Amino acid sequence: EVQLVESGGGLVQPGGSLRLSCAASGFTFSSYDMHWVRQTTGKGLEWVSAIGTAGDTYYPGSVKGRFTISRENAKNSLYLQMNSLRAGDTAVYYCARGLGGYSYGWWFDPWGQGTLVTVSS
Amino acid sequence: SYDLTQPPSVSVSPGQTASITCSGDTLGNNYACWYQQKPGQSPVLVIYQDSKRPSGIPERFSGSNSGNTATLTISGTQAMDEADYYCQAWDSSTVVFGGGTKLTVL
Repeated sequence: EVQLVESGGGLVQPGGSLRLSCAASGFTFSSYDMHWVRQTTGKGLEWVSAIGTAGDTYYPGSVKGRFTISRENAKNSLYLQMNSLRAGDTAVYYCARGLGGYSYGWWFDPWGQGTLVTVSS
Repeated sequence: SYDLTQPPSVSVSPGQTASITCSGDTLGNNYACWYQQKPGQSPVLVIYQDSKRPSGIPERFSGSNSGNTATLTISGTQAMDEADYYCQAWDSSTVVFGGGTKLTVL
């Protein structure tokens, strides 16, 4: 069974940092692009980052320069380092396997259960 | 930025057909996909590449995409289909999601 399990969420002060992890199982992790997607109550779903099989990374403007996605294929693990956190980064963060590709666009299947990040003083 | 617009809510009677739209500038030139999310659960892919169904998704789910509008159609809607539905597309190297539609089966 393909499974993604996130961890590392929690309460952090504005300006602080947090590192999320995602443990993958049930598929050949190194062969797939991987993504982080977040969900806020007010703004719905927002794509946060992607990393290709070759380690190439992609970010939207809202997090570029603050967030860093990485992967460790030997451990079947995906990470998201989040720095300079703001209240607007408060959300449930999902890890997701990306299908399709950069050229024509990705779709996500499956998603993990999510981990909650709260940025507040 | 590229925006995808969905109606906030759609209602349907059990057994009837529900249609949920997703509008975006020249959306038909890009692939669209759809996710179902039930309360307290993670999103689940129900349609990809406009009209393809992943393994395990019932045949009553179908999709289309043309012009500026992608449409998710649920035929013979069941109570278990009540959920939030999100469209998603790819534009200018960015993944974009619609705001979501709450489907009520009543």
